[in-house]
Amino acid sequence: KAGVTQTPRYLIKTRGQQVTLSCSPISGHRSVSWYQQTPGQGLQFLFEYFSETQRNKGNFPGRFSGRQFSNSRSEMNVSTLELGDSALYLCASSIGQGPYTFGSGTRLTVV
Amino acid sequence: GQQVMQIPQYQHVQEGEDFTTYCNSSTTLSNIQWYKQRPGGHPVFLIQLVKSGEVKKQKRLTFQFGEAKKNSSLHITATQTTDVGTYFCAGESNTGKLIFGQGTTLQVKP
Repeated sequence: KAGVTQTPRYLIKTRGQQVTLSCSPISGHRSVSWYQQTPGQGLQFLFEYFSETQRNKGNFPGRFSGRQFSNSRSEMNVSTLELGDSALYLCASSIGQGPYTFGSGTRLTVV
Repeated sequence: GQQVMQIPQYQHVQEGEDFTTYCNSSTTLSNIQWYKQRPGGHPVFLIQLVKSGEVKKQKRLTFQFGEAKKNSSLHITATQTTDVGTYFCAGESNTGKLIFGQGTTLQVKP
């Protein structure tokens, strides 16, 4: 079966712009979580959506937002980009609790 | 809030030596999961531990979950070069929130 698909794989944006990242979970998975990975900070939890509702939220500023659609696909948006937002953004899906399957990530570079 | 601490941050071993990484949570966990991330890759699920005191083995890998369900360890016996990567523990709360430790990066010298 298809894995977790994230698009785009790479992105270069300018400070102040906004960006939208997309994640298609494994079929049947209703939970989608987003993580930011940087060399110094590891995997930082952004938020989790379950059946179109945000179920959990990390400690990121309001510039980071997300949503989940009825088909479980999820999008993450970052507004007013800062240099420090450069990172690998990983999406992971699960049935609801338990093992996550990660996508390959979107590498965002802010210049 | 919930925090998961993992040590050591880095470990260099000679091929054939053993390796252990430890994980501690600030809160009692619903379960703990372990993931491996190869250089340039994404985290891949290894195992989930749910019961207090649980021990599971996968070939040369042994995973333990503490009695209080707040700590865990991963032990690799006789490391091989294929074991290279970063090992993450991740604690799941009863609301489904999965918080990752900082990871232990393992280097194996042939």
